[in-house]
Amino acid sequence: NAGVMQNPRHLVRRRGQEARLRCSPMKGHSHVYWYRQLPEEGLKFMVYLQKENIIDESGMPKERFSAEFPKEGPSILRIQQVVRGDSAAYFCASSPRDSGGSPLHFGNGTRLTVT
Amino acid sequence: DQQVKQNSPSLSVQEGRISILNCDYTNSMFDYFLWYKKYPAEGPTFLISISSIKDKNEDGRFTVFLNKSAKHLSLHIVPSQPGDSAVYFCAATWAGNQFYFGTGTSLTVIP
Repeated sequence: NAGVMQNPRHLVRRRGQEARLRCSPMKGHSHVYWYRQLPEEGLKFMVYLQKENIIDESGMPKERFSAEFPKEGPSILRIQQVVRGDSAAYFCASSPRDSGGSPLHFGNGTRLTVT
Repeated sequence: DQQVKQNSPSLSVQEGRISILNCDYTNSMFDYFLWYKKYPAEGPTFLISISSIKDKNEDGRFTVFLNKSAKHLSLHIVPSQPGDSAVYFCAATWAGNQFYFGTGTSLTVIP
């Protein structure tokens, strides 16, 4: 998993606070994907971004969640007014181009706990 | 709608024997298939992939088989080693789209 950097590794928030999760893709990768893993479940797609562009956000809840991947700096997944159900592991992955023939490389995730 | 399915949540195999992990998919547009391995508290690690123009791809102890007519994918690990104990996810995609993941199979290799 070296290369895709996520921080923080662990994040604790009280209900109603905001959570900001950061992801720096591997060098040379311009495509970023965010996935969420709830306890005892698989990986659920949230959003797919290129630099300054959201390609697919069909997995994002309509409210409270947003994502960006600016021209400079890391990709940010932002959760406003967190609730207990947001507690999960959030994984970021990157690839050098679109999904045709190139695997995703994952970070080690951010584990969000909402108290 | 779960487009990629792993129907076996867990599998136990003796060290040295073959491990076979299975995956089914429903979307005929998928043209690129992958297997990932995941240890607790870590992100998934890419293992092996196969494109739809092939039916087999091998990398050391790992072989992936693709049966397009049955929409079925399998991962063979031989010989299995205790360090292979992890959760294995299959995934599928086609150009420009998200990667769809199965729910995972927890493999335990018994020494």
